[in-house]
Amino acid sequence: SQTIHQWPATLVQPVGSPLSLECTVEGTSNPNLYWYRQAAGRGLQLLFYSVGIGQISSEVPQNLSASRPQDRQFILSSKKLLLSDSGFYLCAWRGGELFFGEGSRLTVL
Amino acid sequence: QKEVEQDPGPLSVPEGAIVSLNCTYSNSAFQYFMWYRQYSRKGPELLMYTYSSGNKEDGRFTAQVDKSSKYISLFIRDSQPSDSATYLCAMGNYKLTFGKGTLLTVNP
Repeated sequence: SQTIHQWPATLVQPVGSPLSLECTVEGTSNPNLYWYRQAAGRGLQLLFYSVGIGQISSEVPQNLSASRPQDRQFILSSKKLLLSDSGFYLCAWRGGELFFGEGSRLTVL
Repeated sequence: QKEVEQDPGPLSVPEGAIVSLNCTYSNSAFQYFMWYRQYSRKGPELLMYTYSSGNKEDGRFTAQVDKSSKYISLFIRDSQPSDSATYLCAMGNYKLTFGKGTLLTVNP
């Protein structure tokens, strides 16, 4: 069966620091991968999606970026975090249904 | 009009009650419909997935889609305290749009 791993699960970062969140998928090849952010009272917001290695589509302008260096690896990054980047970040893969990882909770202070 | 609307609740019911959760949407092109359960500080867990009008049943859960009215529902029979969570609807095609979630509490 397919599983998604996300790490770190929790992190607290100062404003202006860099960010790297990692997601890997097991049990499937060439998955469609997604990064979502869930902020209080705002629902799930699609940030990036990828249909293959090196192929990234951005849904919202922001200081975040995504990369897909390997088939089953998806990375969310920032060079300089803002307070507004705080939230719950979820990686997901889709093969018909959409399946989520356990999430990474980011607090920017 | 928002693309997907979901009553945020909160909804509080006694154990054993039938729960009805609903979402409306505006885009008639949506083909795929999903319901998720999300416990506090956890990722959403897929409960139901359908792509046609009508009912789909899985254990105590029934998903209902009415494309003509642009309305979907999730029914939970014999609700349990372990069903206490936030329920999210999602719909779309290649990209999914999510409701903001309904917080449900089932009281023992």
